[in-house]
Amino acid sequence: ILNVEQSPQSLHVQEGDSTNFTCSFPSSNFYALHWYRWETAKSPEALFVMTLNGDEKKKGRISATLNTKEGYSYLYIKGSQPEDSATYLCAPNTGNQFYFGTGTSLTVIP
Amino acid sequence: KAGVTQTPRYLIKTRGQQVTLSCSPISGHRSVSWYQQTPGQGLQFLFEYFSETQRNKGNFPGRFSGRQFSNSRSEMNVSTLELGDSALYLCASSESPQAQTGELFFGEGSRLTVL
Repeated sequence: ILNVEQSPQSLHVQEGDSTNFTCSFPSSNFYALHWYRWETAKSPEALFVMTLNGDEKKKGRISATLNTKEGYSYLYIKGSQPEDSATYLCAPNTGNQFYFGTGTSLTVIP
Repeated sequence: KAGVTQTPRYLIKTRGQQVTLSCSPISGHRSVSWYQQTPGQGLQFLFEYFSETQRNKGNFPGRFSGRQFSNSRSEMNVSTLELGDSALYLCASSESPQAQTGELFFGEGSRLTVL
């Protein structure tokens, strides 16, 4: 069992604010790390798939970095919009299965 | 391309009953995995099937079982239901087994309530 920690648990920001979340995981047995966005009443959707130490991925206003040696990943949202409101899940993969964190719930206030 | 379809979306059962949930993956996807989400918990891995074979199983009792058919559709079964089995059950499909780096495509889930 892999202990995956995400912080903060929840976050309320004003529209236009930038924010970031953290995902921590044991650095051993690392194979890949996924970020998913889960909007209420919808299915989780993949944001990023990251495999290499030092990886940086970007999709619009959202970006992520990965440090496999120390076991963490950051997700950044620049200029948050109400449509960014969702739960953001990280999921390291050991090569055998995914281990999901409990997520960071983001609410963007207009 | 149709997404991952799970049925039923909602169901209510009583303790001791059994339930079967169904998942139809995206066309061409041969891997189907199942997850349980209860309040305050992350998605807990139940099992994964690839080409009709169970590849991996999470830490759940034997009351939880599954199978995959030749068309990649999968079912999971929970026997002798307990109150603690009340949860959202999510199915995810992918082209390759979970060991690979391809992303997971999730269904909307089946919400099970056990009374």
